[in-house]
Amino acid sequence: DSGVTQTPKHLITATGQRVTLRCSPRSGDLSVYWYQQSLDQGLQFLIQYYNGEERAKGNILERFSAQQFPDLHSELNLSSLELGDSALYFCASSVDWTGNQPQHFGDGTRLSIL
Amino acid sequence: AQSVTQLDSHVSVSEGTPVLLRCNYSSSYSPSLFWYVQHPNKGLQLLLKYTSAATLVKGINGFEAEFKKSETSFHLTKPSAHMSDAAEYFCVVSGASGGSYIPTFGRGTSLIVHP
Repeated sequence: DSGVTQTPKHLITATGQRVTLRCSPRSGDLSVYWYQQSLDQGLQFLIQYYNGEERAKGNILERFSAQQFPDLHSELNLSSLELGDSALYFCASSVDWTGNQPQHFGDGTRLSIL
Repeated sequence: AQSVTQLDSHVSVSEGTPVLLRCNYSSSYSPSLFWYVQHPNKGLQLLLKYTSAATLVKGINGFEAEFKKSETSFHLTKPSAHMSDAAEYFCVVSGASGGSYIPTFGRGTSLIVHP
């Protein structure tokens, strides 16, 4: 058990809709990363937060946004959903923002767009 | 800038034979290097990490990796494969690189273990 909790585990919705994915980091971890994993693109870094502040941005679409709350949980919001957004979305947490410490991954949210 | 290349998309071995998963990296700075394993429908789990201490790093489940700076490699090995080792393996390079601290993941190597 990594200590990282992601909800929901599965999400099925339609094109044009909006969804929110939630992540609770491992106790003591201040940094949260979001990733998208698909068969054709592999594991893509989306965005990183550290102690409530955005720290780094990767290949995140403008239709996607995220935030980290004072209790350190994080949410990833996906809007105007397209078929191509179907993927596994992972959250990972780490002690700091340097990238030198291991990341602890949740089991992911599988998003299916119909 | 930093990058990581996993040289094999698939590796197939028989149970009880050695495993070698190859990873080359590129980094302007002294990087941190990691190997993660992903079993089906699960998140990634840390196998081992290198952070400029010993060049031979031991991880969980009998895996180890050797950091070779001259070859910019960080290959993952295990003396004897077990059926439960069948999974996807990711090599990751991380740390300060041009002001960025974003970990860079390889494309993954699928390890297939035959009985």
